[in-house]
Amino acid sequence: DADVTQTPRNRITKTGKRIMLECSQTKGHDRMYWYRQDPGLGLRLIYYSFDVKDINKGEISDGYSVSRQAQAKFSLSLESAIPNQTALYFCATSDFPPGLAGSETQYFGPGTRLLVL
Amino acid sequence: QQPVQSPQAVILREGEDAVINCSSSKALYSVHWYRQKHGEAPVFLMILLKGGEQMRHEKISASFNEKKQQSSLYLTASQLSYSGTYFCGQIITQGGSEKLVFGKGTKLTVNP
Repeated sequence: DADVTQTPRNRITKTGKRIMLECSQTKGHDRMYWYRQDPGLGLRLIYYSFDVKDINKGEISDGYSVSRQAQAKFSLSLESAIPNQTALYFCATSDFPPGLAGSETQYFGPGTRLLVL
Repeated sequence: QQPVQSPQAVILREGEDAVINCSSSKALYSVHWYRQKHGEAPVFLMILLKGGEQMRHEKISASFNEKKQQSSLYLTASQLSYSGTYFCGQIITQGGSEKLVFGKGTKLTVNP
């Protein structure tokens, strides 16, 4: 079974609709992330969470919100979807070994391909 | 704050070598390399830590020049399986917390 799962894997929605993307992990990591990927722009960080009570905005958080329901679950919501939110969305988790600054390794889910019409 | 990768794209024949560079305007404590094959999620390759050794993943190696604030990924005797987009990442501190920021990626195509 995959350690990081995302649902749905593909979604088509209409402008103005609310949509939620879900991420679950069985790795026992405290840190979780949401990225979006657009051609030529790499991976851009939307939100990240270092534990259940800690939520932080990334580079491009406008138009998105998140919820960390439990250590294992981190959801991304688009309150009112717009066409330029069409993208590939990745969830990731990471370990962060104490005392090893900068040695974080991220584990990505399979991605959710979202099309907003 | 995003690291800069070069080149943006590389096309090789199987067996040829390539170098992908990653540079930063900020001091680097570590450089992270990931590879994303077409239609798949990014996968961790290696981390280079400040003061650490040159790292290797199969036949792919990387170096880290702290003074120049850059890292290079060396792909020798390339295989078809090397095709994909390579991302470097750096840890930045913002608002008291650290996060990993990725470059825009270098697309590597290895042809038979």
